[in-house]
Amino acid sequence: DQQVKQNSPSLSVQEGRISILNCDYTNSMFDYFLWYKKYPAEGPTFLISISSIKDKNEDGRFTVFLNKSAKHLSLHIVPSQPGDSAVYFCAAIDSGAGSYQLTFGKGTKLSVIP
Amino acid sequence: DAGVIQSPRHEVTEMGQEVTLRCKPISGHNSLFWYRQTMMRGLELLIYFNNNVPIDDSGMPEDRFSAKMPNASFSTLKIQPSEPRDSAVYFCASSLDRVQSPLHFGNGTRLTVT
Repeated sequence: DQQVKQNSPSLSVQEGRISILNCDYTNSMFDYFLWYKKYPAEGPTFLISISSIKDKNEDGRFTVFLNKSAKHLSLHIVPSQPGDSAVYFCAAIDSGAGSYQLTFGKGTKLSVIP
Repeated sequence: DAGVIQSPRHEVTEMGQEVTLRCKPISGHNSLFWYRQTMMRGLELLIYFNNNVPIDDSGMPEDRFSAKMPNASFSTLKIQPSEPRDSAVYFCASSLDRVQSPLHFGNGTRLTVT
């Protein structure tokens, strides 16, 4: 049973435009969410996070939105750059479970076209 | 900081052989995670250590898999005997034991079992 779902395996966007990556979750106990970015032959690297007490967190070109009622979060990249081309993973934590294990989605491959 | 260091980067072995993957976490991090990435299942948590103690190994596929953390700066994941279905990329990650501390991943070991 997949608790974190990224339903779009891939996304192509023109350079300079907005990239929107989506993520849905089923476990209502998740209370902290993260996005990771992964280049080929490298490990995932942390990008941005959001606590369930917020609905938006912004860091430069990256903004994460959280809609708790819909159990949905999204990552917006504005403007998109060719260097943003990577696989993006959504992850969630149930901090009340006694450990800080991440549950990951399967990822969305973003291609930014120059 | 050198980050999380994994070795080897690539491992090719024959079915039935023993495989040992190694990980050096970031100094000062007290949590260590082993993940496996496959196309079908994405990033799966295999086992999680806190202060060198295994906390949750429910993700370990079967008895052929074992993991140890003899000290704060070293962990191993062993597969004995290996099978072709174990072929995957294995990631080690470390973090401080709090929600706001993101996981730092190594660059992974690509295992191929023929």
